[in-house]
Amino acid sequence: DIQMTQSPSSLSASVGDRVTITCQASQDISNYLNWYQQKPGKAPKLLIYDASNLETGVPSRFSGSGSGTDFTFTISSLQPEDIATYYCQQYDNLPGFGGGTKVEIK
Amino acid sequence: QVQLQESGPGLVKPSQTLSLTCTVSGGSISSGDYYWSWIRQPPGKGLEWIGYIYYSGSTYYNPSLKSRVTISVDTSKNQFSLKLSSVTAADTAVYYCARDKLSTGGAFDYWGQGTLVTVSS
Repeated sequence: DIQMTQSPSSLSASVGDRVTITCQASQDISNYLNWYQQKPGKAPKLLIYDASNLETGVPSRFSGSGSGTDFTFTISSLQPEDIATYYCQQYDNLPGFGGGTKVEIK
Repeated sequence: QVQLQESGPGLVKPSQTLSLTCTVSGGSISSGDYYWSWIRQPPGKGLEWIGYIYYSGSTYYNPSLKSRVTISVDTSKNQFSLKLSSVTAADTAVYYCARDKLSTGGAFDYWGQGTLVTVSS
């Protein structure tokens, strides 16, 4: 089983701040890494696929990078509507999710 | 626009079998470009992939649940279904169905709204 370690588990930032979340895989997963946003009571929404590709319709302030075992998700300028929990998801053999990062406004 | 909708009982007794169906609209489940997945989320916790099915009937399950899970597909109704046997309180969760786009490294690009299933006597 591939383990995904996502950090931090929560963070608090001000509107306009740059926010960074990391995800580390227990083994090489190439670029098979996706990022989701989940707001309370809603289904997750795909933001980034294949580590760095922005899903259609997703604002450009969201970005992703990395390959192999280390991946980064960035919100370049945090907006009030970005308050949510963010999850990474790997797809090397079978899918698996990171533990999530809850993003709050300071 | 593709839409997925889960349906099934919201309350299941311990030791019984949980059964849910996902109805797909706006696209054909028989398209060879996708897997069709079930994912769950216990209250206040993270996401857990349960398994997926291809339109041909090929299935892949989370090893931690494999002994209790069956996923099936009915292409004539554009539906796929989940059965989870011998449930306990630990199976209480919001259950989502989702589309897994093969060309995007297994990203889940469309999700149902989710349905809460509570296991309780």
